[in-house]
Amino acid sequence: QQQVKQSPQSLIVQKGGISIINCAYENTAFDYFPWYQQFPGKGPALLIAIRPDVSEKKEGRFTISFNKSAKQFSLHIMDSQPGDSATYFCAASPPQAGTALIFGKGTTLSVSS
Amino acid sequence: KAGVTQTPRYLIKTRGQQVTLSCSPISGHRSVSWYQQTPGQGLQFLFEYFSETQRNKGNFPGRFSGRQFSNSRSEMNVSTLELGDSALYLCASRVRGGQETQYFGPGTRLLVL
Repeated sequence: QQQVKQSPQSLIVQKGGISIINCAYENTAFDYFPWYQQFPGKGPALLIAIRPDVSEKKEGRFTISFNKSAKQFSLHIMDSQPGDSATYFCAASPPQAGTALIFGKGTTLSVSS
Repeated sequence: KAGVTQTPRYLIKTRGQQVTLSCSPISGHRSVSWYQQTPGQGLQFLFEYFSETQRNKGNFPGRFSGRQFSNSRSEMNVSTLELGDSALYLCASRVRGGQETQYFGPGTRLLVL
């Protein structure tokens, strides 16, 4: 129940294309769903986050789509650029103050020019 | 504001030894969490400290321990190192906890031989 399943494990997209990464969860107590981006040699950095009271959130080229009934959420990167090449992690957490983020296993995105 | 800093950045130890890693959070942040990152298991939560008290603990053996000082700086210790402890250890800070953004440091890369 504590798992967050992420797919695909790796993704190759042409420059200008759309990158889509999917995540699924089981614990209905989760109510915060962030996406983190990690470049080699760096720690993860928050990209965008969503709560289950909205079905979509957009920030620039990055959009989270959320399907509460299916317990799934996804990250869409529009107009993918070589600089977007990184590892992306979805995560989830319940509302309590001292709880940890439960991370998916990550998706390595490579955007070819 | 300076980001989360971790020292040392790289460490090589042999089996059976112990190691101490250090984390300095962003100024004003009182919550510090530690994560282990490996290719196979991804990012796994170790523990969180808030105001010098362990608030939450992940599913790791007792060989993994931590503490937090009055200035919010945190250390984690791993005793009797095993080969499987080779990983990137990440520290993340936030102001108080809950669903605030976690800011990650660059990590300490530990290699156990």
